[in-house]
Amino acid sequence: DAGITQSPRHKVTETGTPVTLRCHQTENHRYMYWYRQDPGHGLRLIHYSYGVKDTDKGEVSDGYSVSRSKTEDFLLTLESATSSQTSVYFCAISDSGGPGTQYFGPGTRLLVL
Amino acid sequence: KNEVEQSPQNLTAQEGEFITINCSYSVGISALHWLQQHPGGGIVSLFMLSSGKKKHGRLIATINIQEKHSSLHITASHPRDSAVYICAVSGGAGNQFYFGTGTSLTVIP
Repeated sequence: DAGITQSPRHKVTETGTPVTLRCHQTENHRYMYWYRQDPGHGLRLIHYSYGVKDTDKGEVSDGYSVSRSKTEDFLLTLESATSSQTSVYFCAISDSGGPGTQYFGPGTRLLVL
Repeated sequence: KNEVEQSPQNLTAQEGEFITINCSYSVGISALHWLQQHPGGGIVSLFMLSSGKKKHGRLIATINIQEKHSSLHITASHPRDSAVYICAVSGGAGNQFYFGTGTSLTVIP
């Protein structure tokens, strides 16, 4: 299994609170991704990174920011959490910017009350 | 409208049955991927296809580029095959994936 961990694995927070999720990899892969998974929508891309300090927006980036200061860590921040951001968040990594497999982390369940 | 459509959404089969899950897409792609998500959430890549057919054990994946259609087949299904199967297509900058909503498969002993 690809070495990808996510922390925390579960979190309950209140509306308006900032939240940071961490994705950590030991594979030295260049590309990292944050997705959210919601019933009826499948997985949707929030942001991705193509290198240290290089990031770009995905399909559902509003309300989220990311940072990547080291190859191994990709942080997702909800600046002011809302109930619509209740979801399961997955991190993924890839060593290819062309056709290539993505390897997924175990996911983080976030509940915003 | 989602660019990746899967059918059926839900599927129940008896152990031993031959299973087919379909995926259609409407955009140009570099590759098509089949993934498996077990209860508990972990997502695993099964296949990456850009043409033809691939086989791994009892799983077979095919793609028809002209028709923009792919199928995932499971032969001699087993209860441990019960999972959600997700079709995704990749292309564009950064190997971005676009996902279908998944097919939930239950195999009954």
